[in-house]
Amino acid sequence: SQELEQSPQSLIVQEGKNLTINCTSSKTLYGLYWYKQKYGEGLIFLMMLQKGGEEKSHEKITAKLDEKKQQSSLHITASQPSHAGIYLCGADSLSGNTPLVFGKGTRLSVIA
Amino acid sequence: SAVISQKPSRDICQRGTSLTIQCQVDSQVTMMFWYRQQPGQSLTLIATANQGSEATYESGFVIDKFPISRPNLTFSTLTVSNLSPEDSSIYLCSVGGIGATNYGYTFGSGTRLTVV
Repeated sequence: SQELEQSPQSLIVQEGKNLTINCTSSKTLYGLYWYKQKYGEGLIFLMMLQKGGEEKSHEKITAKLDEKKQQSSLHITASQPSHAGIYLCGADSLSGNTPLVFGKGTRLSVIA
Repeated sequence: SAVISQKPSRDICQRGTSLTIQCQVDSQVTMMFWYRQQPGQSLTLIATANQGSEATYESGFVIDKFPISRPNLTFSTLTVSNLSPEDSSIYLCSVGGIGATNYGYTFGSGTRLTVV
C-alpha cells in the first residue's frame, strides 16, 4: 500500500518568513492532493498535482510535484498567522475513485 | 464539486453505547469513504462504502465495531459500536468523483466524538 512521509512534523515560523513542507511517496504518485486543516475544523482543499514537474500556485502557496512523481513540496511565501494549521498531503491511485491515503501531517504555527 | 452534510457535528457518549454518524451528499456518488482522526493525528481510512455491496474495511477495522450502511448513492451511515474512551476521535466521510482533480475530494465537516 502507498505510504506518504511528511516533513517536518511541526514547524514554527516567524510571520513574514518563507517555509517548505515536503511529502515523499513510497510509490509513484498518480494524484497528489494538499489540504489544510484548521485546528478542530474540516479540511480545506488547496491544490492537486498529477503530472511530473507540475507546479501550481494560489495566493502565497505553491505546490510542486517532482519529475519522478514521488515527491511533492508545498511552499508558503511571506507566512501570515492565517496560514497556521495542519497541512496534509494525500494520494490516490485512480483520481477520484479510490480513497485518499494521507501523510501524518505538518503542524504549522506562525508567530508575530 | 459535491457538498456533504454530516451529522452530528459532535457528541458525548457513555462507554458501551453506540453512535451513528450520517453523511448526505447533494449528488450521486459511487464511492464514499470513512475516516478516523485521532487527537493530534492524521486521517486514517476506516472503510470504503460502495452502494449495493458490503463495505470494504481497512486493516485494524472490523464490521462488528464499525458497521456501515449505504442504502443509496447519496447517503451513508457509520456506526461506532460498544464505545470506549479510545474511540474518542473525529470521524469524517468523504467522496471523490469526477471533480476531484479540480476541487479535490470533498469531506464532511466531521463528527467529534468524546466517550466518557
